[in-house]
Amino acid sequence: DIQMTQSPSSLSASVGDRVTITCRASQSIRMYLNWYQQKPGEAPNLLIYGASSLQSGVPSRFSGSGSGTDFTLTINTLQPEDFATYYCQQTYSDVVTFGGGTKVEIK
Amino acid sequence: QVQLVESGGGVVQPGRSLRLSCAASGFTFSIYAMHWVRQAPGKGLEWVAVVPNDGTNKYYGDSVKGRFTISRDNSKSTLFLQMNSLRTEDTAVYYCARYWGSSSANDYWGQGTLVTVSS
Repeated sequence: DIQMTQSPSSLSASVGDRVTITCRASQSIRMYLNWYQQKPGEAPNLLIYGASSLQSGVPSRFSGSGSGTDFTLTINTLQPEDFATYYCQQTYSDVVTFGGGTKVEIK
Repeated sequence: QVQLVESGGGVVQPGRSLRLSCAASGFTFSIYAMHWVRQAPGKGLEWVAVVPNDGTNKYYGDSVKGRFTISRDNSKSTLFLQMNSLRTEDTAVYYCARYWGSSSANDYWGQGTLVTVSS
């Protein structure tokens, strides 16, 4: 199975900061990389698909980049509602895998 | 609007079985692949299984392979997860999620149903 490694596992940031989360795949997954946001008690919400495409309705301060094995989620000008846990997911393989998650906390 | 509603969760003893359902509405269920994803208390997301729109080639995560079976009834717009030989480590919230082929991503998720495996 393809292993997905996210870093950091947690970070503290302030409103207005720029935040970057990375995700590395154990083999090339081309651009089959998605990012989800999850808040406590809620289901995950799709933010970015295909490594860099913004899901409809998602604010433009979220962006994704990368291909092959290395990917990045960037949140520009962090807002109070962005404090949550973020997961990457690869769908290159029939056996899908998620990264371990990155919890973004308030500094 | 798209709705996915899971049901069937509860408390079950180790070694027993449980069947989860996911009722879909607001879209043409029969043309979408569907996934199950779970989340143990305080832990991250773990992918469980996928079934294509026609119910043929199914795939499973290593931790559930041979014990869980994913299936669907397109006539009833319902997804199922048959869970056998349950273990304490299967305790989790189980989500069903629609797979949008154009994006290769899960664009809609249910609210989840909690399965607790405990003696």
